Amino acid sequence: NAGVTQTPKFRILKIGQSMTLQCTQDMNHNYMYWYRQDPGMGLKLIYYSVGAGITDKGEVPNGYNVSRSTTEDFPLRLELAAPSQTSVYFCASSYFAGTDKPPLHFGNGTRLTVT
Amino acid sequence: SQKIEQNSEALNIQEGKTATLTCNYTNYSPAYLQWYRQDPGRGPVFLLLIRENEKEKRKERLKVTFDTTLKQSLFHITASQPADSATYLCAPSLTGGGNKLTFGTGTQLKVEL
Repeated sequence: NAGVTQTPKFRILKIGQSMTLQCTQDMNHNYMYWYRQDPGMGLKLIYYSVGAGITDKGEVPNGYNVSRSTTEDFPLRLELAAPSQTSVYFCASSYFAGTDKPPLHFGNGTRLTVT
Repeated sequence: SQKIEQNSEALNIQEGKTATLTCNYTNYSPAYLQWYRQDPGRGPVFLLLIRENEKEKRKERLKVTFDTTLKQSLFHITASQPADSATYLCAPSLTGGGNKLTFGTGTQLKVEL
């Protein structure tokens, strides 16, 4: 199993450009998440999804959009890139366990620079 | 609002010693607490989960405690090795909530020969 795969690994964008960060998982997990990680700030949740067709905002959703048309894929869209979106983006997934707390499986991130 | 605190200063210890990392939380009462390891340029990797009714959990050289009175979790690595050098993140969480996790900022551990 590949686990959670993110592409691209690195990207440089100009202000105002748009792009889609790709994330796919092969573990048949219901739940998927997008986090961003800035130095000294920890991981911040952008959006999450509890299943195909269902998404919800996290702590820092402004400037981003997501969709979940399949169980496997959870792309993150940046429409008008801004320098404040320079960060490392991590996608994660987990299985549904009712009230229990299954672990998150993370990809290895996309490092995005907006100049 | 919920607040999670981990020591932002790096912890440097000698090989073979026990490393102890601290996770403090305020303004909520998590039912679970997870610990993750993150290496440079990689995503976090799950290590251990402890529930509020469990005082201690062990896995090989790792031990986690969960003190709901002190609102604190301690993460111990015994007989530490240079390969244990990484950043360790804690994530105290409530029940439900779509399994969303809020993470601490992490503590960097450096194990020296």
